Amino acid sequence: NAGVTQTPKFQVLKTGQSMTLQCAQDMNHEYMSWYRQDPGMGLRLIHYSVGAGITDQGEVPNGYNVSRSTTEDFPLRLLSAAPSQTSVYFCASSPRSSGRAGDTQYFGPGTRLTVL
Amino acid sequence: AQSVTQPDIHITVSEGASLELRCNYSYGATPYLFWYVQSPGQGLQLLLKYFSGDTLVQGIKGFEAEFKRSQSSFNLRKPSVHWSDAAEYFCAVLTGRRALTFGSGTRLQVQP
Repeated sequence: NAGVTQTPKFQVLKTGQSMTLQCAQDMNHEYMSWYRQDPGMGLRLIHYSVGAGITDQGEVPNGYNVSRSTTEDFPLRLLSAAPSQTSVYFCASSPRSSGRAGDTQYFGPGTRLTVL
Repeated sequence: AQSVTQPDIHITVSEGASLELRCNYSYGATPYLFWYVQSPGQGLQLLLKYFSGDTLVQGIKGFEAEFKRSQSSFNLRKPSVHWSDAAEYFCAVLTGRRALTFGSGTRLQVQP
């Protein structure tokens, strides 16, 4: 298993450009989520999905869109990049389980995004 | 709303000394708690987790954490720190969204 993969590893954008951060997992996990990490703020939840076709907003969703057409993929779209979106982005997945005992999140390696 | 507080932004310890990183949480139901470690430029690695049962949880790399409901705390400990433990440590609580709420992190520096 490759686990959770993210592409690209690094990206530089100009203000106003759009792009998609890719996230894929091969563990057949139901739950997937996107976080951004900023210095001194830990990781904050952007969007999450509890299964194919179901997405919802997290703590900081503005400026980002997601979709979940398959179990494996959960892309994050920046519609019009802004300097405030300069951050490191992490994708995570976790399996469905009876109760919450199995809810360990598996993180991808991250994408470092700079918006000029 | 759920929240996690890590009161220490930066801690420096000598190699071989003991370590305790503090974590306090606010969550209405029984919390499911995690500690992650992140080395510079790397992703997050799970150190340990608490779901229920024994309040003292053992993790990887010689770390342990103790859940104290009365104090809303889940402090991370290690009896003897190694230089390779220098990293940033994050405490997190699982929310009803099947996602995590993180603390702001504690950066650990290890002096030789």
